[in-house]
Amino acid sequence: DAGVTQSPTHLIKTRGQHVTLRCSPISGHKSVSWYQQVLGQGPQFIFQYYEKEERGRGNFPDRFSARQFPNYSSELNVNALLLGDSALYLCASSWAGRQETQYFGPGTRLLVL
Amino acid sequence: SQQGEEDPQALSIQEGENATMNCSYKTSINNLQWYRQNSGRGLVHLILIRSNEREKHSGRLRVTLDTSKKSSSLLITASRAADTASYFCATAEMYSGGGADGLTFGKGTHLIIQP
Repeated sequence: DAGVTQSPTHLIKTRGQHVTLRCSPISGHKSVSWYQQVLGQGPQFIFQYYEKEERGRGNFPDRFSARQFPNYSSELNVNALLLGDSALYLCASSWAGRQETQYFGPGTRLLVL
Repeated sequence: SQQGEEDPQALSIQEGENATMNCSYKTSINNLQWYRQNSGRGLVHLILIRSNEREKHSGRLRVTLDTSKKSSSLLITASRAADTASYFCATAEMYSGGGADGLTFGKGTHLIIQP
C-alpha cells in the first residue's frame, strides 16, 4: 500500500508570494494533519481535518489555510510568505485523529527568499 | 508551543550499546507517541503508549510512561548504525481547549551511533 504522499518535495518562493502544498493520505484514512518543522525544532501543529471539516488549528496566523477534499486529500495554503515560513511542511494521516498513530509523509521543504 | 522536552538533546554511543532518551511534558495526556526522523525527512512512528499503560515493548524498543511525573523514556537496546536519527516524543493532550487537536512535539534527541 502507498504511504502518505506530498507534493512538491522542494519549493523556492520569494517573500509576499503564495504557496500551495498537497497531501494524499493513506487509502482509508479520513484524517489529515499538517505540521511545520523549522530547522532544529520539533514539528508544530498547524491544522487537522477529519471528514472534510476542520477539527483543530494550531497557533498560526490567518495567512495559513487548508482544506480537505471528498477523496480525503488535502491542501495547505500560505499567503504573503515571510522568510520565517521557510521550513519542512509535514502531512500526517490517520483513521480518525490524534489519538492514534500518525503516518507522516516525506514533507515539502519550502525556502522563502 | 512545545510541550515535550527530550533529554539529552544529543547522544553519541558505540554500536551495540543501549541508548536511553527521556521526555517530560506538562499537561494531562491521552497518549504519548515516539517518532524517529532521518536526515530532516518524514517522521516514522515507533510506539504509542496510552495514559493507562506503564510500559510497552516493540522489538529492540522499550517505552515507559510515568503520568505522576509526566515523563516517558525510550530505550533502544543493542544499537545499530541505522538507529542514527532524531527521536521525538509527541503528546496527545487530554483537553484540547482552544480547538487545537494535534500532537505536541518536543525538540528531539539527536542520536549518533558510532561504528
